Amino acid sequence: AQKVTQAQTEISVVEKEDVTLDCVYETRDTTYYLFWYKQPPSGELVFLIRRNSFDEQNEISGRYSWNFQKSTSSFNFTITASQVVDSAVYFCALSEWGYGQNFVFGPGTRLSVLP
Amino acid sequence: EAGVVQSPRYKIIEKKQPVAFWCNPISGHNTLYWYRQNLGQGPELLIRYENEEAVDDSQLPKDRFSAERLKGVDSTLKIQPAELGDSAVYLCASSPPPGQGLTFGSGTRLTVV
Repeated sequence: AQKVTQAQTEISVVEKEDVTLDCVYETRDTTYYLFWYKQPPSGELVFLIRRNSFDEQNEISGRYSWNFQKSTSSFNFTITASQVVDSAVYFCALSEWGYGQNFVFGPGTRLSVLP
Repeated sequence: EAGVVQSPRYKIIEKKQPVAFWCNPISGHNTLYWYRQNLGQGPELLIRYENEEAVDDSQLPKDRFSAERLKGVDSTLKIQPAELGDSAVYLCASSPPPGQGLTFGSGTRLTVV
């Protein structure tokens, strides 16, 4: 069965610090997709990134970077030089190809960036 | 391009009353999802549609919840009767072909008193 674990319930950092949010997943499928979503205080879930299981290349987008390691079933998310606007709940999600488009979300990590 | 539209944004009802939520997905997105998000938790799937067919409703509490997507476009989720434990945010999402991410609506925050 597919499962996503985000062990960090809450993280607090001071502005300009780097922070890494952990995501560990379980799947029986060889083809799958991993996602990160951001849920700011306004409540709407915002798509950040998608990664398929065949592409382990790390990705950087501005202050955001993602590290995908199939060997450890992890898909970690790093924010460099954090800002107050980064304060939100971040969700990691998994979609298995063999099970249609069923998305399973982790419990989320609440990030608070203090000024 | 319009996003996923949900209404109402907020709803407060007394227990045992019925309630309905409406969702209009992004045009061309054949897959539509209803998720429930309890406070402090991640979204949990209630039902997934491929066009007008419910392809995964295993997590939908069928004794009180029902959903429809008659023309394969917009969808309605209904609860009858509502219970106190149904208080949550109900999220609608849609997606294009497989492998793409979900686009979520703003959600409906339901409070049952």
